[in-house]
Amino acid sequence: DAGVTQSPTHLIKTRGQQVTLRCSPKSGHDTVSWYQQALGQGPQFIFQYYEEEERQRGNFPDRFSGHQFPNYSSELNVNALLLGDSALYLCASSATSYGIPPTGEQFFGPGTRLTVL
Amino acid sequence: QKEVEQNSGPLSVPEGAIASLNCTYSDRGSQSFFWYRQYSGKSPELIMFIYSNGDKEDGRFTAQLNKASQYVSLLIRDSQPSDSATYLCAVQRGTSYGKLTFGQGTILTVHP
Repeated sequence: DAGVTQSPTHLIKTRGQQVTLRCSPKSGHDTVSWYQQALGQGPQFIFQYYEEEERQRGNFPDRFSGHQFPNYSSELNVNALLLGDSALYLCASSATSYGIPPTGEQFFGPGTRLTVL
Repeated sequence: QKEVEQNSGPLSVPEGAIASLNCTYSDRGSQSFFWYRQYSGKSPELIMFIYSNGDKEDGRFTAQLNKASQYVSLLIRDSQPSDSATYLCAVQRGTSYGKLTFGQGTILTVHP
């Protein structure tokens, strides 16, 4: 059973460029969340996708956008890159469940290290 | 006030000792609590989650939750050098989905 996969592993871009990161969730998971983790900090929530819709969004500018496909995989797009966008971008998958016991655990992929020069 | 705060590290314990990691949160509506371990250069790995007040044990790990005090902790018994990592506390408002709000992490070093 494959876990969460992300591509690419590393990426180097220059200021002003655009980038697309990709994520495939664990088998059986239908929800994808994206996080940004700066060095020495905890991950910061960007947004969450469920049923191909953005369900929840954190405090990130509109330069950050996403998409979820019918097979539950997801993309994160960042436009007009800034130096401050350099970080580890993490995708987390989970299964939205309304049953008992409650779930909500999120499992992270290996991440994409983005460097903006 | 930060939404989730963890005890400042780094924390250093000898091999075989108990490591105690603490976390407080500000949102009284938080219902789900998670502990992740993150090795240097790797992504976070879920090690424990807890929803109800009290203790939850899993092997050498025990999570403790006190919602009245808005406090959650992680105890690692018989600490091993392989436990050396950054430990992240995360809270979630819902019980089935929603964003995780993380603390800044506590670096734990277990020395032989």
